Amino acid sequence: DARVTQTPRHKVTEMGQEVTMRCQPILGHNTVFWYRQTMMQGLELLAYFRNRAPLDDSGMPKDRFSAEMPDATLATLKIQPSEPRDSAVYFCASGFRRDRDAGELFFGEGSRLTVL
Amino acid sequence: QQQVKQSPQSLIVQKGGISIINCAYENTAFDYFPWYQQFPGKGPALLIAIRPDVSEKKEGRFTISFNKSAKQFSLHIMDSQPGDSATYFCAASMSDLFGNEKLTFGTGTRLTIIP
Repeated sequence: DARVTQTPRHKVTEMGQEVTMRCQPILGHNTVFWYRQTMMQGLELLAYFRNRAPLDDSGMPKDRFSAEMPDATLATLKIQPSEPRDSAVYFCASGFRRDRDAGELFFGEGSRLTVL
Repeated sequence: QQQVKQSPQSLIVQKGGISIINCAYENTAFDYFPWYQQFPGKGPALLIAIRPDVSEKKEGRFTISFNKSAKQFSLHIMDSQPGDSATYFCAASMSDLFGNEKLTFGTGTRLTIIP
C-alpha cells in the first residue's frame, strides 16, 4: 500500500526553535509538494520539486523557511527560527506527471505544528 | 490574490439529498480542475477531476459540471450519505514549461450529512 509518509505527526515547540519536518514520497513519484493548511488561509503551496530540483518556492517565507530533497526518498521542510504564526498543519504530497493524466497528488497525513 | 473562490463555506444536507458545491476561477490558463476530499486528521485525497474540453464528468454519485465561459465548476453529490461528511476542496492548475502541475486550492467546504 503505497503512501506518503510524514514525520513528525505532531510537534509542539517554543518560539525561536528550529523545526524540521520530513517526508517520504511514494516510490517512483517525481514531483513533491509542500502545502500549509490553516483555518484562515486554507491550503497554501509553499514549495515543489521535480526530480529533486526545486521549481517553485515563491510561496515560502525565504528568511525562515527552507525546503530540500537530499535524495529521491526524502524531502525536508525546515523553519528557523519558528514563530507562533507558523502554527499550522504541513502537508507533503507527491505525484507523477504522465502526459494528460497528470495532476493527482497523493497527500501524507500531515505534520501538525504548534509554536508557543 | 485568491485565484479559486469556493462556496459555500459550510453545507448541511439531509441523507439522500443532493449536495452542491461551487467554485469560480479567474485564470483562463487553468486546464485541470480536481476536487479533493479531506476527512479529519487526514490529508486531502483526489475525488474526481475534469479538463475544460468536457462540460461534465460523472463517477458514481459524484459529478463535476464545468462552464468554461463562466469560469465556474461545481461538484454534485447525489444521494448524499453520512460517510460523505468531510471537507471538500476544489482546485485548479496549469501546466508550466516543465509540464508540472501546481494546484491552487479553494478555501474548502465543510459538508455535513444528517440522517
